[in-house]
Amino acid sequence: DTGVSQDPRHKITKRGQNVTFRCDPISEHNRLYWYRQTLGQGPEFLTYFQNEAQLEKSRLLSDRFSAERPKGSFSTLEIQRTEQGDSAMYLCASTFLPRSGVYGYTFGSGTRLTVV
Amino acid sequence: AQSVTQLDSQVPVFEEAPVELRCNYSSSVSVYLFWYVQYPNQGLQLLLKYLSGSTLVKGINGFEAEFNKSQTSFHLRKPSVHISDTAEYFCAVRTYGGATNKLIFGTGTLLAVQP
Repeated sequence: DTGVSQDPRHKITKRGQNVTFRCDPISEHNRLYWYRQTLGQGPEFLTYFQNEAQLEKSRLLSDRFSAERPKGSFSTLEIQRTEQGDSAMYLCASTFLPRSGVYGYTFGSGTRLTVV
Repeated sequence: AQSVTQLDSQVPVFEEAPVELRCNYSSSVSVYLFWYVQYPNQGLQLLLKYLSGSTLVKGINGFEAEFNKSQTSFHLRKPSVHISDTAEYFCAVRTYGGATNKLIFGTGTLLAVQP
């Protein structure tokens, strides 16, 4: 297993369009997190999954955002009716509970979204 | 709620000089602490983590950090930096035993190594 994969690496879209990102975690990891990182800031938590269940969503995650993790494997993050303020790097991370402290969190390379 | 403060947004340093990147955290419960490095247009790579035990933690690429509970700090150090260490460094905290186990990040410190 080569780590956490995210696709696409870059996405340029026009304001108002819908976009979808994909994250493939490390196969044995049961926890999957989505973060958003804007320029000059640290990553901010958006949501997380325990297997296929979405257990927490940040207030940053407006109604235009939806995330899924069918079958507890890969996850998708969709943004509807994109706005310029959605421009950011979207990072995915995975870990294995209950040993997340020991195993740590593995991040993907991110998807950079630019809304024009 | 937990929070992380990275006091320096940018740290310029000459090659082969020592460096310290500062991190302070706030939490009412026990925490795990992490340092991540991010190279341009890349994801985050784990440098080191503190879970328990010895307060001096050694990580990859010659970095080390010291956990100081009384000062709620987890400063990152390297005795001699290289040009290749130029990157953004993030300190992160998560609660021990919490339900979410999410990482809370600081705003980052850009380490700029000059020749």
